[in-house]
Amino acid sequence: DAKTTQPNSMESNEEEPVHLPCNHSTISGTDYIHWYRQLPSQGPEYVIHGLTSNVNNRMASLAIAEDRKSSTLILHRATLRDAAVYYCILRDYEGGTTSGTYKYIFGTGTRLKVLA
Amino acid sequence: NAGVTQTPKFQVLKTGQSMTLQCAQDMNHNSMYWYRQDPGMGLRLIYYSASEGTTDKGEVPNGYNVSRLNKREFSLRLESAAPSQTSVYFCASSEYGTGNQPQHFGDGTRLSIL
Repeated sequence: DAKTTQPNSMESNEEEPVHLPCNHSTISGTDYIHWYRQLPSQGPEYVIHGLTSNVNNRMASLAIAEDRKSSTLILHRATLRDAAVYYCILRDYEGGTTSGTYKYIFGTGTRLKVLA
Repeated sequence: NAGVTQTPKFQVLKTGQSMTLQCAQDMNHNSMYWYRQDPGMGLRLIYYSASEGTTDKGEVPNGYNVSRLNKREFSLRLESAAPSQTSVYFCASSEYGTGNQPQHFGDGTRLSIL
């Protein structure tokens, strides 16, 4: 099961900021919070990730709550090209005690619609 | 930079046919993954390879096999295709399998089984 909770859909006007929320109340102390987006007919694309501090890159900003149980992806000026499904992801462990790997659990994400 | 390359991009099979989906990455990553995505759903992990020479089952491995041919290549095989395997298949790679590093995805293989 997905370890994160996101709204199914959101709308934004073009050129306005967008705040995409995510709840992850069961996060452990060493788990990074990852955000990906998936444009139509494409594979998921890495957006940003962070552990405790707020993070910025050329695509977006990530604001992480002090208790780390929630985070918000911020697109500063939405464009029509930002219309996509946005996934907030934590890692999960797959395997046994002697071998395994961490993997992502993808939920259904938030479908962002940008209005012209 | 090519990143993660998947072939073919599209394929139509008949029930019972076999097929291998190919994936190659040029980022010298240790870990590779195969996911499937059904309409309106998130991705589900089929198999993964934490490092060269190892492969393990993910959430939905039934009906599939994989081969980590070398560090660059990770293939997914359907031995006897079934309509339930109609899906979009994504290959991904990451530097290590710690779950705290970004995964890089290919553009997918759209597979239809009649």
